[in-house]
Amino acid sequence: EPEVTQTPSHQVTQMGQEVILRCVPISNHLYFYWYRQILGQKVEFLVSFYNNEISEKSEIFDDQFSVERPDGSNFTLKIRSTKLEDSAMYFCASSQASGADTQYFGPGTRLTVL
Amino acid sequence: ILNVEQSPQSLHVQEGDSTNFTCSFPSSNFYALHWYRWETAKSPEALFVMTLNGDEKKKGRISATLNTKEGYSYLYIKGSQPEDSATYLCAFKDFGNQFYFGTGTSLTVIP
Repeated sequence: EPEVTQTPSHQVTQMGQEVILRCVPISNHLYFYWYRQILGQKVEFLVSFYNNEISEKSEIFDDQFSVERPDGSNFTLKIRSTKLEDSAMYFCASSQASGADTQYFGPGTRLTVL
Repeated sequence: ILNVEQSPQSLHVQEGDSTNFTCSFPSSNFYALHWYRWETAKSPEALFVMTLNGDEKKKGRISATLNTKEGYSYLYIKGSQPEDSATYLCAFKDFGNQFYFGTGTSLTVIP
């Protein structure tokens, strides 16, 4: 069964460094999402992406975040200058259609900022 | 920021018991409600996507109902089994393209 994959599973970085989190969505899906969960808190929506552009972003997704689909299979989340409070589990998800369609989540990347 | 609440926060039931939990969400600007099952160390697994007021969906022993006018959805598990132990998460979507998650209900089924 097709699945969403994410790499790396765990990323440790120093504050102020740039990180890129990678996701490979399910191949025939058109909508892509990033979420995060800070330990002990709710899952939070970051951004949705369709047709090679951002379709919606939350207040969390400020100028230090960016997303890209560089090659038609990967979907990346870049954090330009990491802060301690960026430490979280980051999940990628994809769906065939828009928000009323089933979303399939990847296993997540645990980001630790020291 | 919209508020999505789930109750109870955690639940322990005996194997064979039936159980239910609630997801409350804003009743205005409703677009869809998603239910997920999330086991520890795994990724959330989609259970249902509900869009219409009065919707009832079923998958095996798990079913869900939706009331968009009053802003709640119930998830039912009939005859709970130990493998049902997980966190059950709901997510509300409005007419923007943002999703708002509840805190989840952690279910433990005791053999």
